[in-house]
Amino acid sequence: SYVLTQSPSLSVAQGETATIKCGGSNIASQSVHWYQQKPGQAPTLVIYYDNDRPAGIPERFSGSNSGNTATLTINRVEAGDEADYYCQVWDGDSDHPGVFGTGTEVTVL
Amino acid sequence: QPQLQESGPGLVEPSETLSLTCSVAGDSVISFIYDWGWIRQAPGKGLEWIGTISDRGTRYYNPSLKSRVTLSVDTSRNQFSLSLSSVTAADTAMYYCARGGIGYCTNPLCHGRRTHWFDPWGQGTLVSVSS
Repeated sequence: SYVLTQSPSLSVAQGETATIKCGGSNIASQSVHWYQQKPGQAPTLVIYYDNDRPAGIPERFSGSNSGNTATLTINRVEAGDEADYYCQVWDGDSDHPGVFGTGTEVTVL
Repeated sequence: QPQLQESGPGLVEPSETLSLTCSVAGDSVISFIYDWGWIRQAPGKGLEWIGTISDRGTRYYNPSLKSRVTLSVDTSRNQFSLSLSSVTAADTAMYYCARGGIGYCTNPLCHGRRTHWFDPWGQGTLVSVSS
């Protein structure tokens, strides 16, 4: 099945830029979606179709997807952005279509 | 945004069957543009997709769970359900239901490949497997 790999953790100073990566074989041929999960809460969708934002998601959140790496970028990081972030694809060509990344814990300093 | 709410027992004995229901408010489970998914998260671990079902009965399963999972939709009650048989301690997790968005990849490299995402999610229900 398709594997999505993320770095376990990332620390970023408030006001700076967080860059969260999601690695997968030729991931550029997939549509990548991103979720934010704050402690004790259910995940929420923050990016879909590589770089589209659902209603209510700040413009500070953006995504890109190229080669073997998809990236979620959070500009001007705020304390409230501290959370776990997961990438996800739907690999419809396999028998295991729903795939989540391993998750990245973002700490705001 | 619709609201989804999981319900079911919080404690299941080993070898028994875990049964959860997701009630949907503010949307219909009968849809051409959405399907309905289950995701779980073991304590301190990441997200694991369990399966997805449409109102027309199309089902997708995680192959590691497929032999034990049954998904169903009750259009009359606007609910969908998960059944997981022969549970062990490894099935202890927070179980989430979610609406599945359906679309087609717009990236030129995707060749219009179908894609699914999950939005919104229910608040989750913790299920412990223990005697």
